[in-house]
Amino acid sequence: KNEVEQSPQNLTAQEGEFITINCSYSVGISALHWLQQHPGGGIVSLFMLSSGKKKHGRLIATINIQEKHSSLHITASHPRDSAVYICAVSQTGTASKLTFGTGTRLQVTL
Amino acid sequence: EAQVTQNPRYLITVTGKKLTVTCSQNMNHEYMSWYRQDPGLGLRQIYYSMNVEVTDKGDVPEGYKVSRKEKRNFPLILESPSPNQTSLYFCASSITRSWNEQFFGPGTRLTVL
Repeated sequence: KNEVEQSPQNLTAQEGEFITINCSYSVGISALHWLQQHPGGGIVSLFMLSSGKKKHGRLIATINIQEKHSSLHITASHPRDSAVYICAVSQTGTASKLTFGTGTRLQVTL
Repeated sequence: EAQVTQNPRYLITVTGKKLTVTCSQNMNHEYMSWYRQDPGLGLRQIYYSMNVEVTDKGDVPEGYKVSRKEKRNFPLILESPSPNQTSLYFCASSITRSWNEQFFGPGTRLTVL
């Protein structure tokens, strides 16, 4: 079993829909990261969370440490949100070592 | 412009021929890392560096070497590449050890025949 699991693997939505991508992990962590990989391959850091919730524009990330679960929400989705969203964790005691989920491929259509 | 650069962007080589992929950042970041990305496996950390002359293994270090002689550069060395090292490689840097706001390079697609 992977230490970081994402669901769903693939997601298709219509423009304007509210989107949720989930990340569950099985290890103790010091932080959780959400990344976005564009269709051209470039990777951008979206959030780093150790507790609670963060918001940036239409993106909201939440984490529940007790349940070992994080969600990435996209409100009012747009075709330009089409990308692969990747969850990663820094394990407790090894903050600089990152373990990644396999990503969620999101396609937003008109 | 703040950026991480990698060279080459594409490389096709043969088994056993030593190669180096360069990585350079212009943000004075202390922390740098190499990842490989494979279909179905996602990103995996190869090596990371906390500062000049300080490096440590990630999850998949076998077959790779790194060096950090200058703060801005973190080359990835494959002394004897094998076909299972065919992959997409990313270099990244961050100002914090916890990789908050990590900056990624554009990627290097390596094929080993």
